[in-house]
Order: sequence, then C-alpha cells, then structure tokens
Amino acid sequence: DAGVIQSPRHEVTEMGQEVTLRCKPISGHNSLFWYRQTMMRGLELLIYFNNNVPIDDSGMPEDRFSAKMPNASFSTLKIQPSEPRDSAVYFCASSPLYNEQFFGPGTRLTVL
Amino acid sequence: AQSVSQHNHHVILSEAASLELGCNYSYGGTVNLFWYVQYPGQHLQLLLKYFSGDPLVKGIKGFEAEFIKSKFSFNLRKPSVQWSDTAEYFCAVNPTLGNTDKLIFGTGTRLQVFP
Repeated sequence: DAGVIQSPRHEVTEMGQEVTLRCKPISGHNSLFWYRQTMMRGLELLIYFNNNVPIDDSGMPEDRFSAKMPNASFSTLKIQPSEPRDSAVYFCASSPLYNEQFFGPGTRLTVL
Repeated sequence: AQSVSQHNHHVILSEAASLELGCNYSYGGTVNLFWYVQYPGQHLQLLLKYFSGDPLVKGIKGFEAEFIKSKFSFNLRKPSVQWSDTAEYFCAVNPTLGNTDKLIFGTGTRLQVFP
C-alpha cells in the first residue's frame, strides 16, 4: 500500500487566494483526520470523518476553513480566503476503526 | 477535559545515554495509548502502542514503554540512544469509551542527541 497520499506537498500562495489541500487515505480505513502543525501551536486536530461523515469539526479555526469527504478515498481541506497566519504544515491521517493513525507526508503551506 | 501531559519539552543527551520521556494523561476510563516519532522535516510515525495485556510494550528501534494504570502514565524508554534518534516524540491517548477515533496528543518532547 502506498500509505496516505497528500497533494500538493508544498503550496505558496498570496493572501486572499483560495487553497485546496487533498488527501487520499489508506484503502479500507474508516476514519480520516486533518491536522495542522505550527511551531507556536504544535499539532492541532482540525476535523475528522468516520465513514465519510464529519464527526468532530470543533478544531476548525473559522469559517474560512472547510473540509469535505465525498467518498471513502478522497478528502479536501479548503481555505478561502487564505491569510498569512494559515501558514503551517497540514497533515492528513487515516485509521481503521479504534486503532493507530497513519499520517501522510503533509502539505507545507506558505501564505504571503 | 481529557488531556495528555509531556513534562519534558526539550531533552538533550549524548549518544549511549539512557532515555526516559514522561507521559501522563487525565482520563479515568479505559484508554489506548500511543507514542509517535517525528524526524526533522517528516511526518509522524508510530513507535509503539498499548491496547491491553502486558503493560510493558516493545516498539521499533529499541524503544519500549510501560503503562502504569495507577499513575495514569505511559513513559517511553530506550536504554542507549543514538544520534539518529534526534526527533520530536508525541504521546497520544484514545479514550475508548467515548466511541471516538480521536487521539489526544501531548505537546511533544524534542530530543537532541549529540555524538
């Protein structure tokens, strides 16, 4: 298995632009998680899905952030409009039910 | 609220020194416990996990952890560290009775090993 796949690996954009991050979880995993990691705030859970349904989005910072999981093999995290404080590494992770999470390589986002 | 505490924020060791990183959690019920490692510039990878059974768990790369239920602790140990162990280490807890897959992560411990 290729593991969790994220794209793009790096994204540089200007303030106000829309950013879309993509994730393909490991086949057969029931749960998918989006995290954000910064030096200042550490690792933060933004949202997670179980069987494609959003279960907990309490970590989504504000309305500029939205996430979807249209099917079991694809999820997106969208930021519109982006701001410099959104600069971070965004990780996607997937897991079988009630088990360890497997992390993707991350997307390093820089908003100028 | 459930939380995970990693009291050592930054640990500096010489090669061959022994390592112990503390992890305490606040949750009274049954838990699944994890240690993850993040090498510089990389993503989190699982070192070891505890679900049930022998409270002394052995993981990859010579790491082990001991679950002490009475102390709500799951400390990570390695008898002799190497330069390649330089990384950030995260303890995480899944409260099983909450019917949730959510992991509660500690803030991480940065380990630097000097040759």
